[in-house]
Amino acid sequence: DQQVKQNSPSLSVQEGRISILNCDYTNSMFDYFLWYKKYPAEGPTFLISISSIKDKNEDGRFTVFLNKSAKHLSLHIVPSQPGDSAVYFCADNTDKLIFGTGTRLQVFP
Amino acid sequence: NAGVTQTPKFQVLKTGQSMTLQCAQDMNHEYMSWYRQDPGMGLRLIHYSVGAGITDQGEVPNGYNVSRSTTEDFPLRLLSAAPSQTSVYFCASSSRTVGTNEKLFFGSGTQLSVL
Repeated sequence: DQQVKQNSPSLSVQEGRISILNCDYTNSMFDYFLWYKKYPAEGPTFLISISSIKDKNEDGRFTVFLNKSAKHLSLHIVPSQPGDSAVYFCADNTDKLIFGTGTRLQVFP
Repeated sequence: NAGVTQTPKFQVLKTGQSMTLQCAQDMNHEYMSWYRQDPGMGLRLIHYSVGAGITDQGEVPNGYNVSRSTTEDFPLRLLSAAPSQTSVYFCASSSRTVGTNEKLFFGSGTQLSVL
């Protein structure tokens, strides 16, 4: 069963510090996980992805880490900026593109 | 380049009414899909299509119909609206489908209220 879980509905971080968003999955075999970012009244936009053959993928301030034994991945944002305040979704693209429930990140000055 | 266009942006229906949410993309994408977003539930896949003439069910297909007669258009039909269908609906497209890191392009959404 293809499921993706984001157990933290919200996260508040001070500007300049690290934001860590977590995601757990159930699929034993997957090809790619993707992270999307969503601002209010807008559609989600792609942020970063990671394939099953990697443990880490970095793009500027955004890094995604994959722990296959724990079926866990995390998105690190360093340094966090007020413009990063949004809802973040992780998604499993193994069979169908299934999203988690999202984590609302608030970055305060 | 318009990307993914959804109409209408807002809609209010009475229980039992039917309507069609329109979605069009101009990127020649083969893959298109519909999601609904509800508080605490994230984005849930309703239906998807891997090309013209081909559709399949997602996680929450009941109460919705789709068809894909052209590559560009993927309308979502509510046959008999129910209050449980009150949600924000997103259409999305991409050039490739599952098992890839091909990103989805989303429309700006349709906010639907069923009274």
